[in-house]
Amino acid sequence: EADIYQTPRYLVIGTGKKITLECSQTMGHDKMYWYQQDPGMELHLIHYSYGVNSTEKGDLSSESTVSRIRTEHFPLTLESARPSHTSQYLCASTSQGETQYFGPGTRLLVL
Amino acid sequence: DAKTTQPNSMESNEEEPVHLPCNHSTISGTDYIHWYRQLPSQGPEYVIHGLTSNVNNRMASLAIAEDRKSSTLILHRATLRDAAVYYCILRDTGNNNAGNMLTFGGGTRLMVKP
Repeated sequence: EADIYQTPRYLVIGTGKKITLECSQTMGHDKMYWYQQDPGMELHLIHYSYGVNSTEKGDLSSESTVSRIRTEHFPLTLESARPSHTSQYLCASTSQGETQYFGPGTRLLVL
Repeated sequence: DAKTTQPNSMESNEEEPVHLPCNHSTISGTDYIHWYRQLPSQGPEYVIHGLTSNVNNRMASLAIAEDRKSSTLILHRATLRDAAVYYCILRDTGNNNAGNMLTFGGGTRLMVKP
């Protein structure tokens, strides 16, 4: 059973607000990822991290930013939310092994 | 990562076996074949993976063609809880893929009828 958590699970917020989506894992995994998924559509990688103080942009351009100050924590921040940011955001992590573990996701609605 | 091709959707009856196909004709020698599934309103979860030999675990079996250009995920007895989108993904561990990234396609939406 994977121990990866995301909060909040659901967020409704107005345009222009700053938001931070939290992701934490207790498995000591070095590599962590953020994916974005619109309803019924494919997952797209937007950020990833090899470890502490390492962050990289993924395949899909995103206005969000991430940080990795602690191994277990990989928050994603939107400085000024817009309706185009409405989507589901999924966090994942992996160890040296092959398996990627996903959190339950955060569903964001920007009005 | 090499591209995979899967049917958009499939239907199955409950308690019957399901064979989910995946074509990956451009697979390289160092590509592992991974399967994940995404249940409604949840994040994806790992199902199974393999390189050349067929693989079995408690969730499913993976049959890999001899030329590795296709594979089939086998659910031996489909239940209603198996209704999900199933993703077939190739991941190259032979190069400097330090990111262990997964590239998700559209997957196959499996519908299970009672």
